[in-house]
Amino acid sequence: QVQLVQSGAEVKKPGASVKVSCKASGYTFTSYGISWVRQAPGQGLEWMGWISAYNGNTNYAQKLQGRVTMTTDTSTSTAYMELRSLRSDDTAVYYCARDQRMKAVTSCYDYWGQGTLVTVSS
Amino acid sequence: EIVLTQSPGTLSLSPGERATLSCRASQSVSSSYLAWYQQKPGQAPRLLIYGASSRATGIPDRFSGSGSGTDFTLTISRLEPEDFAVYYCQQYGSSPHTFGPGTKVDIK
Repeated sequence: QVQLVQSGAEVKKPGASVKVSCKASGYTFTSYGISWVRQAPGQGLEWMGWISAYNGNTNYAQKLQGRVTMTTDTSTSTAYMELRSLRSDDTAVYYCARDQRMKAVTSCYDYWGQGTLVTVSS
Repeated sequence: EIVLTQSPGTLSLSPGERATLSCRASQSVSSSYLAWYQQKPGQAPRLLIYGASSRATGIPDRFSGSGSGTDFTLTISRLEPEDFAVYYCQQYGSSPHTFGPGTKVDIK
C-alpha cells in the first residue's frame, strides 16, 4: 500500500534551517510528483510547492521563493523540503503529499504523510 | 493568485441531516480542477472529491461535488458521526494551488 513517512518533529531557533524528509513506498516513486503543504497551529492549509519525482522540476509558492528548496533522492524514494532563515511564523505542521495523477502537469493529492511539526522559537 | 472563499465558516448539524458546503473562487478555475479534502483533528487531510465532481477511491457515495467556473459545492447527503470534521476546497488549475479557509461541520 502507498505510504509516505515523514521525519520527526524539529525545534529550531529563528534564522536556522530545517530539512524535512518524506520516504515513499508502495508505488513507483518516479511516476508521481510530490507537493508540500503546511498548517500553522489552529490555521488552514497553505501550499508551499511541488517537485516532480520524474524530472526534478519544481514550482514554489512565491512567498517562499529564495527560502525553500525541494529535492528528491530517487535511489531511496525520498523527497526533501528545506526551509531556511526560519521565523516564528514558520511554526507549523509540514505535510508531504503525492499527486493523484501520474506524471501530471497538475494534480490534487491522494496520499499524505503523517506531518512533521516544526517549531521555531528562541 | 486565485483566492477561495468557503461558506459557512461553521455548520452545526445533527447526524442524518444534509450538509451543503460552498466554495467560491475569485476567478474561474480552469478545467474544474477543484478538490475537496476532509481533515480531522491531529490527522492529515483526506482527498474526497477531485475534478469538482469525481469521488476519490474509497469515498462513500453520500459525498458528492458539483459546480464549475467560480462556484462549487460539496454535499454530504446524510451525515454520519465520522463526518464531523473540517472541509477544505483547493484549486489546482493554476499556481499557486490555493486552499480555502475551511468549513467546520460540528454536531448540533
